[in-house]
Amino acid sequence: EPEVTQTPSHQVTQMGQEVILRCVPISNHLYFYWYRQILGQKVEFLVSFYNNEISEKSEIFDDQFSVERPDGSNFTLKIRSTKLEDSAMYFCASVGEAVGVYNEQFFGPGTRLTVL
Amino acid sequence: SQELEQSPQSLIVQEGKNLTINCTSSKTLYGLYWYKQKYGEGLIFLMMLQKGGEEKSHEKITAKLDEKKQQSSLHITASQPSHAGIYLCGADIGNSNYQLIWGAGTKLIIKP
Repeated sequence: EPEVTQTPSHQVTQMGQEVILRCVPISNHLYFYWYRQILGQKVEFLVSFYNNEISEKSEIFDDQFSVERPDGSNFTLKIRSTKLEDSAMYFCASVGEAVGVYNEQFFGPGTRLTVL
Repeated sequence: SQELEQSPQSLIVQEGKNLTINCTSSKTLYGLYWYKQKYGEGLIFLMMLQKGGEEKSHEKITAKLDEKKQQSSLHITASQPSHAGIYLCGADIGNSNYQLIWGAGTKLIIKP
């Protein structure tokens, strides 16, 4: 069964460093998302990406964040200069756009980012 | 505001007993997702319910979607230690880009 994959499963970085989190969405899907969950808190929407551009972003998704779909299969989230408060689990998700059926969202296993 | 309320916030249940967790939306529910999570770990997909009063079961877990109440309930029958964890609901409330909103989670503890 197709699934969303994410790498790495755990990333440790120093404050101020750049990190790139990687996701491979389900191959025929068209909408891609990043969510984050700070430990012990709610899952929060960060950004949606459709047709090679950001379709919506939350207040959390500031200039330090960027997303890219560089090669038609990978979907990446870059944090330019990490802060301690960026420590969280980051989930990637994707949705297809089949006509006439409900388009279910599928989530990856997550990347735990720890900023020291 | 777009809110998804989960209740209860936490639950301690004697092993073998039944329990119910609720997820109530302030907006129309087009899809409702139930996930289980161990603290600090990833999301384990349980069930997805679509608009239309759907009910699904998997092993001892049953979830229902009540459109009129804009609510979903997750019911566990004859709870076991393996059911312990955090239960999260995520909802599709018809946002133009299909993104989900999330409840705060229900922490379930099973007492032996």
